Amino acid sequence: DVKVTQSSRYLVKRTGEKVFLECVQDMDHENMFWYRQDPGLGLRLIYFSYDVKMKEKGDIPEGYSVSREKKERFSLILESASTNQTSMYLCASRYTGGGYEQYFGPGTRLTVT
Amino acid sequence: GQQLNQSPQSMFIQEGEDVSMNCTSSSIFNTWLWYKQDPGEGPVLLIALYKAGELTSNGRLTAQFGITRKDSFLNISASIPSDVGIYFCAGPGGGATNKLIFGTGTLLAVQP
Repeated sequence: DVKVTQSSRYLVKRTGEKVFLECVQDMDHENMFWYRQDPGLGLRLIYFSYDVKMKEKGDIPEGYSVSREKKERFSLILESASTNQTSMYLCASRYTGGGYEQYFGPGTRLTVT
Repeated sequence: GQQLNQSPQSMFIQEGEDVSMNCTSSSIFNTWLWYKQDPGEGPVLLIALYKAGELTSNGRLTAQFGITRKDSFLNISASIPSDVGIYFCAGPGGGATNKLIFGTGTLLAVQP
């Protein structure tokens, strides 16, 4: 079974803080993704990575950056957290040789006050 | 751009009832995915469909890839309380294998 883990289930941060969200997958998947999920807006892709040190912007990259130094780990960074970044953050991974299936982690509920 | 319309938006049923929901696309898909999301958790992949007309089951869940390739259906038979959650369809996001489009979700509530 694919296992995607996220470092925190719940986080509370203050406006202006730098925030790191970590994601690890154990299935040697090449592709990893960060989404945010908000009521009424569904899942929106922030960034994805198709290989170590490679990254591509998704649909809403503004205010975020990412890092992929190792194949199994994909980090999402909020350089200066703002209240409009309060959301559920979901990490996912996908095997290049498979289909379109993405496998999600349990999510991190981030609150910025 | 591509859109996925999922219906119904919500369903409130009694335990033991069967459930049907569907997803339609504005363009042809070559893959349909169905996910379930429990409250406060990440989506879990239920079923993946790869061919028009394909019918695939996973326990009490059955999904079908529509013949037109623009729709897909998910049925749940004999619902139980743990079926509660949000069900999402998803499909390829136009050209790039790393992009999925997600439906807006169907919220399912099951009364014991």
